[in-house]
Amino acid sequence: AQKVTQAQTEISVVEKEDVTLDCVYETRDTTYYLFWYKQPPSGELVFLIRRNSFDEQNEISGRYSWNFQKSTSSFNFTITASQVVDSAVYFCALSERPISNFGNEKLTFGTGTRLTIIP
Amino acid sequence: KAGVTQTPRYLIKTRGQQVTLSCSPISGHRSVSWYQQTPGQGLQFLFEYFSETQRNKGNFPGRFSGRQFSNSRSEMNVSTLELGDSALYLCASSPGTTPYNEQFFGPGTRLTVL
Repeated sequence: AQKVTQAQTEISVVEKEDVTLDCVYETRDTTYYLFWYKQPPSGELVFLIRRNSFDEQNEISGRYSWNFQKSTSSFNFTITASQVVDSAVYFCALSERPISNFGNEKLTFGTGTRLTIIP
Repeated sequence: KAGVTQTPRYLIKTRGQQVTLSCSPISGHRSVSWYQQTPGQGLQFLFEYFSETQRNKGNFPGRFSGRQFSNSRSEMNVSTLELGDSALYLCASSPGTTPYNEQFFGPGTRLTVL
């Protein structure tokens, strides 16, 4: 069965510090996708990134960066120079193998990490 | 482009009642997925609809059902409500025509069962 583990339940850092959110996954599929979503207090999940299992290149988008390591089944997320607006719950998710050629939208989510940025 | 909309945003029901939640996907998106979010169980997949057909479902009892209309709008129904059904119900839409699409989530419907 697919599983996503986010061991850090809550993290608090002072504004401008860097912070890394950990994500470890389990799957038997050779093809899969990993996602990160942000959930601010409003409740809506905001898509951050999608990464396929064949692309281990690290990605940087502004203050956000992601480190995908297939050897350790990890897909960690780093926020550089954190800001108060980064305070939210962050979810890592895994997409299962499609049950048809047209896709399979079921996501397996981790339990989330609540990040608090202290001004 | 308008985002995913869900109605109502808040709902209070009593045990034994039934409830219907609505989701309108992003224009052009044909796949709608539903998730339940609770403090205890986290985010759990309920089911996905594509072109009016249920394409995948999670491990929820038959009290949870859904449907999708020809305009891709989807409804989710929970019958014989239990206290444990209190949750944030999130709807997500995606094009659905290729695997592993990113899903775009709505603001959710917060259901409270008394």
